[in-house]
Amino acid sequence: DAGVTQSPTHLIKTRGQQVTLRCSPKSGHDTVSWYQQALGQGPQFIFQYYEEEERQRGNFPDRFSGHQFPNYSSELNVNALLLGDSALYLCASSADRRVYGYTFGSGTRLTVV
Amino acid sequence: AQRVTQPEKLLSVFKGAPVELKCNYSYSGSPELFWYVQYSRQRLQLLLRHISRESIKGFTADLNKGETSFHLKKPFAQEEDSAMYYCALSAGNQFYFGTGTSLTVIP
Repeated sequence: DAGVTQSPTHLIKTRGQQVTLRCSPKSGHDTVSWYQQALGQGPQFIFQYYEEEERQRGNFPDRFSGHQFPNYSSELNVNALLLGDSALYLCASSADRRVYGYTFGSGTRLTVV
Repeated sequence: AQRVTQPEKLLSVFKGAPVELKCNYSYSGSPELFWYVQYSRQRLQLLLRHISRESIKGFTADLNKGETSFHLKKPFAQEEDSAMYYCALSAGNQFYFGTGTSLTVIP
């Protein structure tokens, strides 16, 4: 089992552009969460998807949106990129978070120039 | 509001010495707490969850609801314990992370 896989690993975008990040959850996991981790900070919760619906959202603007597909994979979209969006974006999946917590991917490093 | 505080950004101990990484939380409900570890160039991985009361790699953590703490402890630090440690609180469907403590074990 490859665990949680994210693509791409690195990305450079220009301010104002749009970006899509992808995540495949661990086999057997049906819930996907996205996090933004700025340098020197802990991960910040963006939103969580379950059964193809956004179940909960953190304190992020509407420029951040997502999607979950029937096979549980997920995308994170960010529109109108700002320099401050430069960060490591982490995807995490779970089956029963209370018991097992979340399994994290290696992340996508987004740089906005 | 939910919050996780890790007061120490950096912590250095000598090999064989005891280590304690502090974590305090604020949450009005019944907390579910976890410790995650990130070794150099590796992904975040689950170390401990309070619900299981287990010991992993010699680490233990006890939930103290009176002091709203979930400190991570190990009696004898090893060089391979050098890593970034994050305390996390599960509240509903959200996970709140602390800012992390970078542990360095000096040989």
